Amino acid sequence: DAMVIQNPRYQVTQFGKPVTLSCSQTLNHNVMYWYQQKSSQAPKLLFHYYDKDFNNEADTPDNFQSRRPNTSFCFLDIRSPGLGDAAMYLCATSRDPRGGSTDTQYFGPGTRLTVL
Amino acid sequence: AQSVTQPDIHITVSEGASLELRCNYSYGATPYLFWYVQSPGQGLQLLLKYFSGDTLVQGIKGFEAEFKRSQSSFNLRKPSVHWSDAAEYFCAVALYNQGGKLIFGQGTELSVKP
Repeated sequence: DAMVIQNPRYQVTQFGKPVTLSCSQTLNHNVMYWYQQKSSQAPKLLFHYYDKDFNNEADTPDNFQSRRPNTSFCFLDIRSPGLGDAAMYLCATSRDPRGGSTDTQYFGPGTRLTVL
Repeated sequence: AQSVTQPDIHITVSEGASLELRCNYSYGATPYLFWYVQSPGQGLQLLLKYFSGDTLVQGIKGFEAEFKRSQSSFNLRKPSVHWSDAAEYFCAVALYNQGGKLIFGQGTELSVKP
């Protein structure tokens, strides 16, 4: 089945130790998104890729970076995790949202990040 | 500024009772609206969406939603709730001029009494 896969599902890291979260998709979608969802809050967009074009949200901390080496994969790098970065990280994909139209975003199961 | 409001943080209904979850949006153009459901520790599953056309949209699991432009609302309904419907429900609007970015409401947690 075509889907969005996130690995690992649970990640524990130490304060200040770099961590990378992975997302892959078999939907062949142009756009990949990373959302951060803190406990009991709504998801909040960190950034997205339209093909290889990177689009950062204005309020995303510099501590968060992303890479998209090909259509299928996208990575979220947290350079120096703080306690406040503990959250669920959700990856989503969609087809071309530009040109005055949009399409449905399909979400992966998320990675729960714990920072000790 | 674009925003989505879900006035009810937590709702409890009895199994078999009807359900309505409220959602109001603020958006200057034609909205693209979604309802997602999230079970604890899981990702978001799409229930239904409204892009254009018929203002009453049907979704999965017996859910439906009605778009009312005059009230800036997109309320979610189900005629008979099942215990498995207990979850967090998010309403969202897509900003197609910002790469399809989703703006979510704060969510409504649904509990179902036996």
